[in-house]
Amino acid sequence: EAQVTQNPRYLITVTGKKLTVTCSQNMNHEYMSWYRQDPGLGLRQIYYSMNVEVTDKGDVPEGYKVSRKEKRNFPLILESPSPNQTSLYFCASSYDGRGNTIYFGEGSWLTVV
Amino acid sequence: QKEVEQNSGPLSVPEGAIASLNCTYSDRGSQSFFWYRQYSGKSPELIMFIYSNGDKEDGRFTAQLNKASQYVSLLIRDSQPSDSATYLCAVDTGNMLTFGGGTRLMVKP
Repeated sequence: EAQVTQNPRYLITVTGKKLTVTCSQNMNHEYMSWYRQDPGLGLRQIYYSMNVEVTDKGDVPEGYKVSRKEKRNFPLILESPSPNQTSLYFCASSYDGRGNTIYFGEGSWLTVV
Repeated sequence: QKEVEQNSGPLSVPEGAIASLNCTYSDRGSQSFFWYRQYSGKSPELIMFIYSNGDKEDGRFTAQLNKASQYVSLLIRDSQPSDSATYLCAVDTGNMLTFGGGTRLMVKP
């Protein structure tokens, strides 16, 4: 089954404690992206990657890091989380970057206290 | 920064009515436009996409595009309570998608 898998799905953490949200896809997609969703703001892109070792900033990259060492994995790293990073996070993948080929993960609810 | 704007709603319509959702975008070079439906706490699901000016129909859904006015809309005919969700407009900006803030639709029985 084609899928994008995110972990953890739910996490409450404390300010400053480094955390990583993993994302893995099994469709051999070139494109992967991270979005965060806050009430009334839709999905805002954090980082995207068009291939292995190629990453670029989206609209809201501050406070986040990513890496793309293998095609299937695209982890999101919060080096020093702050309460304003409390949000719902979605990982997505696509074979050509187009909106009609995109697959979303189920989302990760992160709360930073 | 490329922007996509939607009225946040909620838009309330009675069951069986037509729901009209609107979206404007700032980048005149945008070529591809998408509508996603998102139920609370769930991931977005694609319901329509449109590339050319005019209308595109799929079942109860019609997407309308006017590139000169930088305007995209979604019409839902014979609205059902199960259509109650947030509808996200998205534009292909070359780095995957830029989303609007979404319009919450409520269909009342």
